[in-house]
Amino acid sequence: SQKIEQNSEALNIQEGKTATLTCNYTNYSPAYLQWYRQDPGRGPVFLLLIRENEKEKRKERLKVTFDTTLKQSLFHITASQPADSATYLCALAPSSNTGKLIFGQGTTLQVKP
Amino acid sequence: GAVVSQHPSWVICKSGTSVKIECRSLDFQATTMFWYRQFPKQSLMLMATSNEGSKATYEQGVEKDKFLINHASLTLSTLTVTSAHPEDSSFYICSARDVTTNEKLFFGSGTQLSVL
Repeated sequence: SQKIEQNSEALNIQEGKTATLTCNYTNYSPAYLQWYRQDPGRGPVFLLLIRENEKEKRKERLKVTFDTTLKQSLFHITASQPADSATYLCALAPSSNTGKLIFGQGTTLQVKP
Repeated sequence: GAVVSQHPSWVICKSGTSVKIECRSLDFQATTMFWYRQFPKQSLMLMATSNEGSKATYEQGVEKDKFLINHASLTLSTLTVTSAHPEDSSFYICSARDVTTNEKLFFGSGTQLSVL
């Protein structure tokens, strides 16, 4: 069956450290993969997009990698801050229908001062 | 950046009544809008894809007569939950795709529906 999975356990890290979140997928051929941030009671906010032919993308303190062999994307936040505390969602667009986005369940990150 | 306005932010209604949720793209045209539903600590589940001027496409298991979607203009889509029941209580979120950027979605702030 098709699945997109993120670590459901919350990730707790100390301010200043690098947070690494994982997104694994099964039985999909993504055309691209996106990461979103969601705060409680709010809609998701787009962060980064990485295509199937790209290995890595960066934006300020954020970095995303995409390994189509491992069927995995990693999302890194360097020099993390308490304001980075939120739930982070990965989403993929299947090659068969790039008009849709399929979301993982999200990983909650807590950055402690 | 592009803004999607969703209204209302929260609504409480009695069982059996209907509730309408509006989703507007404020500074761009959205030929396609998506409606999602999210339960606490769970993923966003796509309910339907709304195309301007045509019928919505519903995901498997979503009742089209229960969740009425209208996308009458390039900037407005509405979701009406008809004859709401307590099990319909959820967080509903709309999103829109800007035709110029195509791939990323802009989300509304969500509507928390509580059916008593």
